[in-house]
Amino acid sequence: GENVEQHPSTLSVQEGDSAVIKCTYSDSASNYFPWYKQELGKRPQLIIDIRSNVGEKKDQRIAVTLNKTAKHFSLHITETQPEDSAVYFCAASDNTDKLIFGTGTRLQVFP
Amino acid sequence: DGGITQSPKYLFRKEGQNVTLSCEQNLNHDAMYWYRQDPGQGLRLIYYSQIVNDFQKGDIAEGYSVSREKKESFPLTVTSAQKNPTAFYLCASSISSGDSYEQYFGPGTRLTVT
Repeated sequence: GENVEQHPSTLSVQEGDSAVIKCTYSDSASNYFPWYKQELGKRPQLIIDIRSNVGEKKDQRIAVTLNKTAKHFSLHITETQPEDSAVYFCAASDNTDKLIFGTGTRLQVFP
Repeated sequence: DGGITQSPKYLFRKEGQNVTLSCEQNLNHDAMYWYRQDPGQGLRLIYYSQIVNDFQKGDIAEGYSVSREKKESFPLTVTSAQKNPTAFYLCASSISSGDSYEQYFGPGTRLTVT
């Protein structure tokens, strides 16, 4: 079955700097890759997703890149702000309803 | 944040007792899921259901049971056979369409078993 690895487990950046979180997946059949953000004490929420027919997708300060050959995808946050502090989860899906999640990255943005 | 609810928010039980966690959604979603969240281990899938009266085991189904008698409801029972039941449990639902796989999460139930 699919296995998703996520790095780093914690990431600290200064406000205004960029943050990058990386994930790798094992199943070449996976073709949908979402990213969820979970603020402290709240539920996870989708922030951006990408499909395997696209190499990059942007939404304001966040972007996701996908390298199908290497089976890895990354979340990029530019101009980080304190409200970006949260746990971020990547996930992968093989065109079914089932998502396999990474273990999460705790991002801390210091003012 | 509305549309999918879980109750209660906190639940305390004695070891050896079964306990049922509630999950209800009014989003008309076909698929529903149960995840367990432990520190440093992300979201692990317990069970999922794509249609009424049908469900499949996830990666960590042992010691858990579910039912899907109604589209809106997907209760999870943590049985006494679950060796480490203390955790944060998240329910989710999705529309189950070829265009979108976004999962919408409930607020979660924190279960403590002593």
